[in-house]
Amino acid sequence: AQSVAQPEDQVNVAEGNPLTVKCTYSVSGNPYLFWYVQYPNRGLQFLLKYITGDNLVKGSYGFEAEFNKSQTSFHLKKPSALVSDSALYFCAVRDFGFQKLVFGTGTRLLVSP
Amino acid sequence: EAQVTQNPRYLITVTGKKLTVTCSQNMNHEYMSWYRQDPGLGLRQIYYSMNVEVTDKGDVPEGYKVSRKEKRNFPLILESPSPNQTSLYFCASSPTPSNSYNEQFFGPGTRLTVL
Repeated sequence: AQSVAQPEDQVNVAEGNPLTVKCTYSVSGNPYLFWYVQYPNRGLQFLLKYITGDNLVKGSYGFEAEFNKSQTSFHLKKPSALVSDSALYFCAVRDFGFQKLVFGTGTRLLVSP
Repeated sequence: EAQVTQNPRYLITVTGKKLTVTCSQNMNHEYMSWYRQDPGLGLRQIYYSMNVEVTDKGDVPEGYKVSRKEKRNFPLILESPSPNQTSLYFCASSPTPSNSYNEQFFGPGTRLTVL
């Protein structure tokens, strides 16, 4: 079965510093990987996805993610964090057999001024 | 505006009182799904639908029902809610499910409390 792991419940970073939110995956076959963000009292918003091709994927709001097949990782990154980036971030992988996204447990990002 | 809407956004009810959470999308998507979000567990799929009149169980279907009579609507029904169904519920939709790399679009969520 497909699965993703987000090893950090919370990541703290100062505004202006680079941020990384970690995700590792376990899949059979080629992975289709996604990052979503959830702001307070809002639904999940799509940030970016990796399907194939370039290992560095660029997405919304200046975020990018690096796909690393040998380390089975798909870490979310941003060169310079903003206070407004504070939110809950979910990594997900597509499960072909059951037509669903399999989500990680989420990582809360707190960006301090 | 392309969106997924859910109603109600907040609901407090009592054990055993039947309720329905509505979900509607205006993007002509074939695929729709319900998830529940619980702390430390992420999102788990309850039911999904590949098209009108086609529904199937997800990971945690017990205590829930769904129907897909129209393409745009996918209501979630709790026939006899119990306190362990207290959770945050999300509806999602996406285009043709055979295109597995399509992202899903999520509604704003419904926070349900069962006393």
